[in-house]
Amino acid sequence: ETGVTQTPRHLVMGMTNKKSLKCEQHLGHNAMYWYKQSAKKPLELMFVYSLEERVENNSVPSRFSPECPNSSHLFLHLHTLQPEDSALYLCASSQDGAGIGEAFFGQGTRLTVV
Amino acid sequence: GEDVEQSLFLSVREGDSSVINCTYTDSSSTYLYWYKQEPGAGLQLLTYIFSNMDMKQDQRLTVLLNKKDKHLSLRIADTQTGDSAIYFCAESIVIGGSYIPTFGRGTSLIVHP
Repeated sequence: ETGVTQTPRHLVMGMTNKKSLKCEQHLGHNAMYWYKQSAKKPLELMFVYSLEERVENNSVPSRFSPECPNSSHLFLHLHTLQPEDSALYLCASSQDGAGIGEAFFGQGTRLTVV
Repeated sequence: GEDVEQSLFLSVREGDSSVINCTYTDSSSTYLYWYKQEPGAGLQLLTYIFSNMDMKQDQRLTVLLNKKDKHLSLRIADTQTGDSAIYFCAESIVIGGSYIPTFGRGTSLIVHP
């Protein structure tokens, strides 16, 4: 149990569907992130929220839309995705400004776009 | 180029030592990290080193930091089959006042009998 929970674990969606990924952390952290993990590519930082405000949007296409309603929850809303968006989407959290800056990860959502 | 670079694969025999190398770009990173990802799981912090240290030892793990060359390495002594995983080197970069972990591609460590 890492303290960061992602749902669903697996998702298959068509290119015209709308779906959402959910992340929840029970660690009292004030920063949350979305990363995309594709084969043979660096872990790509997509979005960063610190104190519930977005501080980074790393040139991510608008078909990905994040939402952070409070410090414990982070969503990634998906619509009209492309097959190349198939990847493992990882959520992480950390306590910004304290400790060693360790990031705690969820187990990820394996997304397949068909 | 990438902020953090590391080789993609390493294959070792059980009982041997493994050395995974990494180069990074941000010299202002206060800490440098090694994360481990096992199949079907997220990343988990394995060890870290403070940027003013040259070496850190933690049981079978030894981290070496060459700040001048921006080179970080992870040595695993007496490598076991359970060490098979993907190992990520990471630095922290400042974005909007927040320290954000930035990762390389990861090195897949394969341990064979």
